[in-house]
Amino acid sequence: NAGVTQTPKFQVLKTGQSMTLQCAQDMNHEYMSWYRQDPGMGLRLIHYSVGAGITDQGEVPNGYNVSRSTTEDFPLRLLSAAPSQTSVYFCASSKTGAGVGKLFFGSGTQLSVL
Amino acid sequence: EDKVVQSPLSLVVHEGDTVTLNCSYEVTNFRSLLWYKQEKKAPTFLFMLTSSGIEKKSGRLSSILDKKELFSILNITATQTGDSAIYLCAANNNAGNMLTFGGGTRLMVKP
Repeated sequence: NAGVTQTPKFQVLKTGQSMTLQCAQDMNHEYMSWYRQDPGMGLRLIHYSVGAGITDQGEVPNGYNVSRSTTEDFPLRLLSAAPSQTSVYFCASSKTGAGVGKLFFGSGTQLSVL
Repeated sequence: EDKVVQSPLSLVVHEGDTVTLNCSYEVTNFRSLLWYKQEKKAPTFLFMLTSSGIEKKSGRLSSILDKKELFSILNITATQTGDSAIYLCAANNNAGNMLTFGGGTRLMVKP
Protein backbone atom coordinates (compact mmCIF):
# COMPACT_ATOMS: atom_id res chain seq x y z
CA ASN A 1 0.00 0.00 0.00
CA ALA A 2 1.86 3.08 -1.29
CA GLY A 3 -0.26 5.75 0.45
CA VAL A 4 0.84 9.26 -0.55
CA THR A 5 3.77 9.44 -2.96
CA GLN A 6 5.70 12.65 -3.56
CA THR A 7 8.40 13.27 -6.14
CA PRO A 8 11.10 14.45 -6.25
CA LYS A 9 12.56 14.06 -2.75
CA PHE A 10 15.15 16.78 -3.33
CA GLN A 11 15.34 19.65 -5.83
CA VAL A 12 17.60 22.62 -6.37
CA LEU A 13 16.36 25.47 -8.55
CA LYS A 14 17.72 28.77 -9.70
CA THR A 15 15.71 31.91 -9.08
CA GLY A 16 13.11 32.34 -11.81
CA GLN A 17 12.91 28.68 -12.81
CA SER A 18 9.61 26.84 -12.72
CA MET A 19 8.91 23.29 -11.66
CA THR A 20 6.17 20.90 -10.62
CA LEU A 21 6.10 18.84 -7.46
CA GLN A 22 4.15 15.65 -8.00
CA CYS A 23 1.77 14.08 -5.51
CA ALA A 24 -0.27 10.93 -5.94
CA GLN A 25 -2.38 8.91 -3.52
CA ASP A 26 -3.89 5.47 -3.97
CA MET A 27 -6.40 5.56 -1.10
CA ASN A 28 -9.25 7.12 -3.06
CA HIS A 29 -9.15 10.17 -0.78
CA GLU A 30 -11.30 13.11 -1.75
CA TYR A 31 -9.24 15.70 0.10
CA MET A 32 -5.67 16.59 -0.89
CA SER A 33 -3.48 19.45 0.23
CA TRP A 34 -0.02 20.97 0.03
CA TYR A 35 1.90 22.35 3.01
CA ARG A 36 5.25 23.98 3.39
CA GLN A 37 7.30 23.62 6.54
CA ASP A 38 9.86 26.20 7.61
CA PRO A 39 11.93 26.05 10.81
CA GLY A 40 9.92 27.05 13.87
CA MET A 41 6.79 27.77 11.83
CA GLY A 42 5.08 24.41 11.75
CA LEU A 43 3.15 23.55 8.61
CA ARG A 44 1.41 26.19 6.53
CA LEU A 45 -1.29 25.33 4.04
CA ILE A 46 -0.62 26.40 0.45
CA HIS A 47 -3.56 24.98 -1.52
CA TYR A 48 -6.11 22.25 -1.05
CA SER A 49 -8.70 20.33 -3.00
CA VAL A 50 -11.90 18.61 -1.87
CA GLY A 51 -12.33 16.65 -5.07
CA ALA A 52 -11.44 16.43 -8.75
CA GLY A 53 -11.91 19.78 -10.44
CA ILE A 54 -12.11 21.72 -7.16
CA THR A 55 -9.20 23.64 -5.65
CA ASP A 56 -8.92 26.48 -3.17
CA GLN A 57 -6.27 28.66 -1.58
CA GLY A 58 -4.79 28.09 1.81
CA GLU A 59 -2.79 30.38 4.04
CA VAL A 60 0.21 31.01 1.75
CA PRO A 61 -0.87 30.50 -1.91
CA ASN A 62 1.16 33.22 -3.65
CA GLY A 63 3.66 31.91 -6.17
CA TYR A 64 2.03 28.49 -6.42
CA ASN A 65 -0.59 26.91 -8.67
CA VAL A 66 -2.44 23.63 -8.35
CA SER A 67 -4.88 21.58 -10.38
CA ARG A 68 -6.87 18.44 -9.65
CA SER A 69 -7.85 16.64 -12.83
CA THR A 70 -8.11 13.21 -11.16
CA THR A 71 -8.85 11.96 -7.66
CA GLU A 72 -5.36 10.48 -7.40
CA ASP A 73 -3.09 13.36 -8.45
CA PHE A 74 -2.54 16.85 -7.07
CA PRO A 75 0.55 18.54 -8.54
CA LEU A 76 1.96 21.78 -7.15
CA ARG A 77 3.54 24.21 -9.61
CA LEU A 78 6.07 26.86 -8.73
CA LEU A 79 5.66 29.50 -11.39
CA SER A 80 8.88 31.48 -10.93
CA ALA A 81 10.96 30.20 -8.05
CA ALA A 82 12.22 32.64 -5.42
CA PRO A 83 14.65 32.07 -2.52
CA SER A 84 11.71 32.60 -0.12
CA GLN A 85 10.25 29.36 -1.47
CA THR A 86 13.15 27.34 -0.08
CA SER A 87 11.34 24.96 2.23
CA VAL A 88 10.20 21.41 2.80
CA TYR A 89 6.95 20.66 1.01
CA PHE A 90 4.45 18.03 2.10
CA CYS A 91 1.48 16.68 0.28
CA ALA A 92 -1.29 15.24 2.45
CA SER A 93 -4.61 13.55 1.83
CA SER A 94 -7.66 12.63 3.84
CA LYS A 95 -10.79 10.64 3.22
CA THR A 96 -12.99 13.70 3.51
CA GLY A 97 -12.36 17.11 5.04
CA ALA A 98 -9.20 17.67 7.06
CA GLY A 99 -11.18 17.76 10.27
CA VAL A 100 -13.31 14.74 9.62
CA GLY A 101 -10.46 12.29 9.23
CA LYS A 102 -6.76 12.18 9.81
CA LEU A 103 -4.30 13.45 7.23
CA PHE A 104 -1.88 11.06 5.57
CA PHE A 105 1.36 12.79 4.60
CA GLY A 106 3.85 12.10 1.85
CA SER A 107 7.55 11.88 2.71
CA GLY A 108 8.27 15.46 1.66
CA THR A 109 10.29 17.38 -0.92
CA GLN A 110 13.30 19.39 0.17
CA LEU A 111 13.45 22.38 -2.19
CA SER A 112 16.30 24.87 -2.35
CA VAL A 113 16.10 27.98 -4.51
CA LEU A 114 19.40 29.70 -5.16
CA GLU B 1 -6.98 34.89 11.61
CA ASP B 2 -6.79 31.41 13.13
CA LYS B 3 -3.83 30.87 15.43
CA VAL B 4 -2.29 27.89 17.22
CA VAL B 5 0.56 28.26 19.72
CA GLN B 6 2.57 25.42 21.21
CA SER B 7 4.80 25.41 24.25
CA PRO B 8 7.48 24.77 25.14
CA LEU B 9 9.43 25.20 21.90
CA SER B 10 11.80 22.43 22.93
CA LEU B 11 12.26 20.06 25.79
CA VAL B 12 15.04 17.70 26.89
CA VAL B 13 14.21 14.93 29.33
CA HIS B 14 15.63 11.58 30.41
CA GLU B 15 14.12 8.20 29.77
CA GLY B 16 11.36 7.44 32.23
CA ASP B 17 10.34 11.05 32.73
CA THR B 18 6.79 12.25 32.13
CA VAL B 19 6.25 15.22 29.83
CA THR B 20 3.34 17.54 29.12
CA LEU B 21 3.14 19.44 25.86
CA ASN B 22 0.79 22.39 25.52
CA CYS B 23 -1.29 23.69 22.66
CA SER B 24 -3.52 26.77 22.75
CA TYR B 25 -5.71 27.86 19.89
CA GLU B 26 -7.84 30.68 18.58
CA VAL B 27 -9.95 29.36 15.73
CA THR B 28 -13.15 30.71 14.29
CA ASN B 29 -15.90 28.11 14.60
CA PHE B 30 -13.61 25.51 16.13
CA ARG B 31 -14.31 21.96 15.11
CA SER B 32 -11.48 19.69 16.25
CA LEU B 33 -7.89 19.59 17.44
CA LEU B 34 -5.35 17.10 16.17
CA TRP B 35 -1.92 15.98 17.35
CA TYR B 36 0.82 14.67 15.08
CA LYS B 37 4.28 13.24 15.67
CA GLN B 38 7.05 14.10 13.23
CA GLU B 39 10.23 12.07 13.51
CA LYS B 40 12.37 12.34 10.42
CA LYS B 41 10.06 13.19 7.60
CA ALA B 42 6.29 13.01 7.37
CA PRO B 43 4.05 13.78 10.35
CA THR B 44 2.00 10.85 11.57
CA PHE B 45 -1.39 11.15 13.22
CA LEU B 46 -1.75 10.64 16.97
CA PHE B 47 -5.13 11.96 18.17
CA MET B 48 -8.16 13.92 17.12
CA LEU B 49 -10.15 15.65 19.86
CA THR B 50 -13.57 17.19 19.48
CA SER B 51 -15.11 17.13 22.95
CA SER B 52 -13.94 18.80 26.14
CA GLY B 53 -12.76 16.71 29.05
CA ILE B 54 -12.67 13.36 27.29
CA GLU B 55 -9.20 11.87 27.40
CA LYS B 56 -7.89 10.01 24.40
CA LYS B 57 -5.24 7.45 25.16
CA SER B 58 -2.86 5.31 23.15
CA GLY B 59 -0.31 3.40 25.16
CA ARG B 60 1.86 5.88 27.05
CA LEU B 61 0.39 8.87 25.20
CA SER B 62 -2.77 10.67 26.18
CA SER B 63 -4.41 13.93 25.27
CA ILE B 64 -7.29 16.05 26.46
CA LEU B 65 -9.09 19.13 25.18
CA ASP B 66 -10.49 22.10 27.11
CA LYS B 67 -12.84 24.03 24.82
CA LYS B 68 -13.62 26.62 27.46
CA GLU B 69 -10.00 27.63 28.00
CA LEU B 70 -9.07 26.87 24.36
CA PHE B 71 -6.17 24.51 24.90
CA SER B 72 -5.09 20.92 24.70
CA ILE B 73 -2.30 18.95 26.33
CA LEU B 74 -0.42 15.90 25.21
CA ASN B 75 1.05 13.75 27.96
CA ILE B 76 3.75 11.16 27.49
CA THR B 77 4.52 8.94 30.47
CA ALA B 78 7.63 6.79 30.97
CA THR B 79 9.32 8.44 28.00
CA GLN B 80 11.61 6.42 25.73
CA THR B 81 14.29 7.54 23.27
CA GLY B 82 11.88 6.60 20.49
CA ASP B 83 9.59 9.40 21.65
CA SER B 84 12.16 11.95 20.45
CA ALA B 85 10.40 13.93 17.73
CA ILE B 86 8.64 17.14 16.92
CA TYR B 87 5.06 17.13 18.17
CA LEU B 88 2.61 19.23 16.20
CA CYS B 89 -0.89 20.25 17.09
CA ALA B 90 -3.40 21.60 14.61
CA ALA B 91 -6.86 23.11 14.88
CA ASN B 92 -9.65 22.65 12.38
CA ASN B 93 -12.42 25.14 11.78
CA ASN B 94 -16.03 24.31 11.12
CA ALA B 95 -15.63 24.36 7.37
CA GLY B 96 -13.42 21.33 7.86
CA ASN B 97 -11.12 22.04 4.97
CA MET B 98 -8.22 23.85 6.59
CA LEU B 99 -5.91 22.88 9.41
CA THR B 100 -3.92 25.57 11.22
CA PHE B 101 -0.75 24.12 12.70
CA GLY B 102 1.27 25.32 15.64
CA GLY B 103 5.04 25.70 15.42
CA GLY B 104 5.68 22.40 17.15
CA THR B 105 7.48 21.23 20.28
CA ARG B 106 10.79 19.48 19.76
CA LEU B 107 11.20 16.72 22.35
CA MET B 108 14.52 15.02 22.97
CA VAL B 109 14.63 12.02 25.28
CA LYS B 110 18.09 11.11 26.51
CA PRO B 111 19.03 7.58 27.60
